[in-house]
Amino acid sequence: AQSVAQPEDQVNVAEGNPLTVKCTYSVSGNPYLFWYVQYPNRGLQFLLKYITGDNLVKGSYGFEAEFNKSQTSFHLKKPSALVSDSALYFCAVRDQFGGGTSYGKLTFGQGTILTVHP
Amino acid sequence: SAVISQKPSRDICQRGTSLTIQCQVDSQVTMMFWYRQQPGQSLTLIATANQGSEATYESGFVIDKFPISRPNLTFSTLTVSNMSPEDSSIYLCSVAARMSSYNEQFFGPGTRLTVL
Repeated sequence: AQSVAQPEDQVNVAEGNPLTVKCTYSVSGNPYLFWYVQYPNRGLQFLLKYITGDNLVKGSYGFEAEFNKSQTSFHLKKPSALVSDSALYFCAVRDQFGGGTSYGKLTFGQGTILTVHP
Repeated sequence: SAVISQKPSRDICQRGTSLTIQCQVDSQVTMMFWYRQQPGQSLTLIATANQGSEATYESGFVIDKFPISRPNLTFSTLTVSNMSPEDSSIYLCSVAARMSSYNEQFFGPGTRLTVL
């Protein structure tokens, strides 16, 4: 079974400082990893994904994420946080082999509330 | 990316009634998904809806409670039947353009349901 853990319920950073939102995963095969952001009263927006290749993936709004296979982690990062980055962030994983189906189930972490203070 | 709309955006319903939520996509998509996000919780997949076939339900979800229709490649409905306060959640529609594990899914804005 696949799973995702986001160990921090909340992350607080000052505007202009770097931010990190942590994510670890567990899958039986190679992972496909995704980050989504949810603003209040809105659906999820796709930020970035790791499929293969470079361990550092760049995405929307200046976000990037680093894939670390040995630590089974996929932490979300941004060099300089903005107040407008304050939102709920979800990490998600899908097993490469789809759990026996052609399109596997996407499993989400519990979410991390990011608050950026002015 | 696909543009997805959901109707209604929110509703307040009485216990024992049913609500049908619509999901419309601006392009043809192979796979559509329905998720539930309970207050303060993560997303839980209810079912996968493919055009021309029965929906595939996840453990803990049954067709009698959450009947789904998928009449074409741009539209789907989810009905929440015989509602109770425990059904109060945000219900999200999601799509994937192609049946491949490495494709991201795109989400609609959600339907916020409150059951009294």
